[in-house]
Amino acid sequence: DQQVKQNSPSLSVQEGRISILNCDYTNSMFDYFLWYKKYPAEGPTFLISISSIKDKNEDGRFTVFLNKSAKHLSLHIVPSQPGDSAVYFCARENQGGKLIFGQGTELSVKP
Amino acid sequence: DTGVSQNPRHKITKRGQNVTFRCDPISEHNRLYWYRQTLGQGPEFLTYFQNEAQLEKSRLLSDRFSAERPKGSFSTLEIQRTEQGDSAMYLCASSLFVWTTSYNEQFFGPGTRLTVL
Repeated sequence: DQQVKQNSPSLSVQEGRISILNCDYTNSMFDYFLWYKKYPAEGPTFLISISSIKDKNEDGRFTVFLNKSAKHLSLHIVPSQPGDSAVYFCARENQGGKLIFGQGTELSVKP
Repeated sequence: DTGVSQNPRHKITKRGQNVTFRCDPISEHNRLYWYRQTLGQGPEFLTYFQNEAQLEKSRLLSDRFSAERPKGSFSTLEIQRTEQGDSAMYLCASSLFVWTTSYNEQFFGPGTRLTVL
């Protein structure tokens, strides 16, 4: 079974500091890991992806790191802003493009 | 294009009734996905279409669930004889699938929240 796990249901960070969201996975067969962000009453929106052949991908304030030996990926947000407060899901893309999501981490960025 | 739309946004029904949800994807997108999300969990894959062909169904999709995409555009998800355990947010997503080295982004609709009493 191709599991994706986010073990921290919530995270609180001060504005301007770094937010680090973590995700663990089992089974090494994948092409992409993704991070999606979800605000209340809206569908998830794509944030950033990383290919299995890379160990880092950066897009502005967002950087995703992939540690294949530890089967772990993390999303870094620097600097964190109050508008970043949302639920963040990591996901892996399976055959056919279907996404397998983690349970989500609710990020709260306090002014 | 305003993105993926879903109707209705909310549905309350009594156990045993049938319900149908509609998803209108982004117009040029050839793939359409259905997911279900319950409280405290991430979305779970249900089924997906490439154009009008249903290519995969999850084991979560019991025989009470059926999905169609008759003309390769909008899709419907029907649940027959609803049960309280069907209460969830039903999310639709679409993507323009091309064979490429980059990720084919899925765009999600706002979801339909189903409550079965």
